[in-house]
Amino acid sequence: AQSVSQHNHHVILSEAASLELGCNYSYGGTVNLFWYVQYPGQHLQLLLKYFSGDPLVKGIKGFEAEFIKSKFSFNLRKPSVQWSDTAEYFCAVNRLTSGNTPLVFGKGTRLSVIA
Amino acid sequence: GAGVSQSPSNKVTEKGKDVELRCDPISGHTALYWYRQSLGQGLEFLIYFQGNSAPDKSGLPSDRFSAERTGGSVSTLTIQRTQQEDSAVYLCASSLGWISGRHSNEQFFGPGTRLTVL
Repeated sequence: AQSVSQHNHHVILSEAASLELGCNYSYGGTVNLFWYVQYPGQHLQLLLKYFSGDPLVKGIKGFEAEFIKSKFSFNLRKPSVQWSDTAEYFCAVNRLTSGNTPLVFGKGTRLSVIA
Repeated sequence: GAGVSQSPSNKVTEKGKDVELRCDPISGHTALYWYRQSLGQGLEFLIYFQGNSAPDKSGLPSDRFSAERTGGSVSTLTIQRTQQEDSAVYLCASSLGWISGRHSNEQFFGPGTRLTVL
């Protein structure tokens, strides 16, 4: 069975600090990888996704993530965080198949950005 | 509307009562998913519909949970004889499915229904 591990439960950063949130997955086959964000009081939104090709993917709001197949990792990064990045971040994976499959989520990382 | 909608947004019920939660997916999306988000458990898959295929019920936690999808569009998640541990936010998502020789696995989420069982 697939599983996703997010290493940090809660991260607190000052504005302009750099961010890296870890995500590792376990699955022997080919996967699609996602980062979703949930801002306070809002629903889950897609930040970025990796299906194939360039392992460095760019998302919205200056976020990027790098897929490292040998490490089964898909870490999320942002060079300089803003207060508005305060949210909960979820890494997710599903199997690459001819159809759709459910997402397996990590437990999430809460990011608090302070002035 | 452009997005996935869910109703009600909040539901408070008494232990032992049945509840129905509704999801309207994005028009044209053939795949529909139900997830549950609870403290300490994160986001858990419950059930998944793909077109006219039999649903994947492998995530349902007990036989008190069921879901149906009528006409390939709207879905209802039913929880019978609710228990306090059912309290959670129930999320619905939809995705395009297999379209024109390619698949789209991007799932779009609704705002959720917050269920509180007293």
